[in-house]
Amino acid sequence: GAGVSQTPSNKVTEKGKYVELRCDPISGHTALYWYRQSLGQGPEFLIYFQGTGAADDSGLPNDRFFAVRPEGSVSTLKIQRTERGDSAVYLCASSPGRLGRYNEQFFGPGTRLTVL
Amino acid sequence: GDSVTQMEGPVTLSEEAFLTINCTYTATGYPSLFWYVQYPGEGLQLLLKATKADDKGSNKGFEATYRKETTSFHLEKGSVQVSDSAVYFCALGNSGNTPLVFGKGTRLSVIA
Repeated sequence: GAGVSQTPSNKVTEKGKYVELRCDPISGHTALYWYRQSLGQGPEFLIYFQGTGAADDSGLPNDRFFAVRPEGSVSTLKIQRTERGDSAVYLCASSPGRLGRYNEQFFGPGTRLTVL
Repeated sequence: GDSVTQMEGPVTLSEEAFLTINCTYTATGYPSLFWYVQYPGEGLQLLLKATKADDKGSNKGFEATYRKETTSFHLEKGSVQVSDSAVYFCALGNSGNTPLVFGKGTRLSVIA
């Protein structure tokens, strides 16, 4: 079946602009995660949804970052007043979200954001 | 908080050489441990996992053993191939749905 998809694959914007990044999880996966990967670093957690609600948003760096998942499927990461330091690859992952010890997270290809 | 430390790269090896990439972790509780791989131009893929102490994860000739006493999860492969060239990430998850904590990644280049 289809994996996690993210659009756009690349986004170039100017400092101060608003951007939206979209994630389509694997069908039926209730858990959805956003991570940010800066050059030469590992992915860093931003926010995690279980269904429609944000179960943990402790990784969002500041209030310019916001994410929604209104119907418990597609999610949009929104960044206001972008700064050059926001340039990174934004990764989305989904998992079945079952209770228990381990749920594999499946990653999308990422959106490369460049803020000029 | 939880953290993962892995050896810095880049690592360059000749084909058929032995590979070790060290990974140690700090965590509360009993985390699950993972190795992810990122091939050039592709997304992150789970390579192997171990969910409890002394478990050995294995896949595609790679192995890693969950060592609670040394808080380690070192990745090994007995004979690398050019196609193994990628960035490898060690990660931990502290319960079924919590976000993963990743190391910084180790770039491996295998030359023929």
